[in-house]
Amino acid sequence: EDQVTQSPEALRLQEGESSSLNCSYTVSGLRGLFWYRQDPGKGPEFLFTLYSAGEEKEKERLKATLTKKESFLHITAPKPEDSATYLCAVHYKAAGNKLTFGGGTRVLVKP
Amino acid sequence: EPEVTQTPSHQVTQMGQEVILRCVPISNHLYFYWYRQILGQKVEFLVSFYNNEISEKSEIFDDQFSVERPDGSNFTLKIRSTKLEDSAMYFCASTDEGRASPLHFGNGTRLTVT
Repeated sequence: EDQVTQSPEALRLQEGESSSLNCSYTVSGLRGLFWYRQDPGKGPEFLFTLYSAGEEKEKERLKATLTKKESFLHITAPKPEDSATYLCAVHYKAAGNKLTFGGGTRVLVKP
Repeated sequence: EPEVTQTPSHQVTQMGQEVILRCVPISNHLYFYWYRQILGQKVEFLVSFYNNEISEKSEIFDDQFSVERPDGSNFTLKIRSTKLEDSAMYFCASTDEGRASPLHFGNGTRLTVT
């Protein structure tokens, strides 16, 4: 049973067309939810950590929010350089000290 | 900004051979990890290492796998007898605190087993 599910799997946007990515989780005892960006052939690059429902974090055109069941990554007025796979991962009480990743959302921003 | 470095970037090996993947974590970090990503699949946890011992391992991390911190800077993953299904990107990660602190990943080693 998937514990972290990301949707959509892929997203094609025009430059400037804002959108949101979803990460839903079914774990209990959430200790942290992490967003990463991954470029082809590279390792995940840390973006945000969210620890509790209602929390929001922002960085440039990206804004992450968290509820008790899901997180959203909002991309405002994206640029082609925002094209990447965005990964969501959770750390929760029963999981020891490991992260559990979702499958990612591949974002392509066309000029 | 300090980063996690991994070598080699690409390793090709024959089935049954031993491989060692190398990582230099960020210098003041204390917790070290290996994850892997099979092409088209999720990033999955292999093992965590703290205070010179394995703190947790997944069911993937069987007797064919081992980790070592041979000195104060390197962290290695050894696969004793590689199988075709070991082909994947292997990522090293580190963090300065324990639970719920962000992991910093290297750019990975692409392992191809033929």
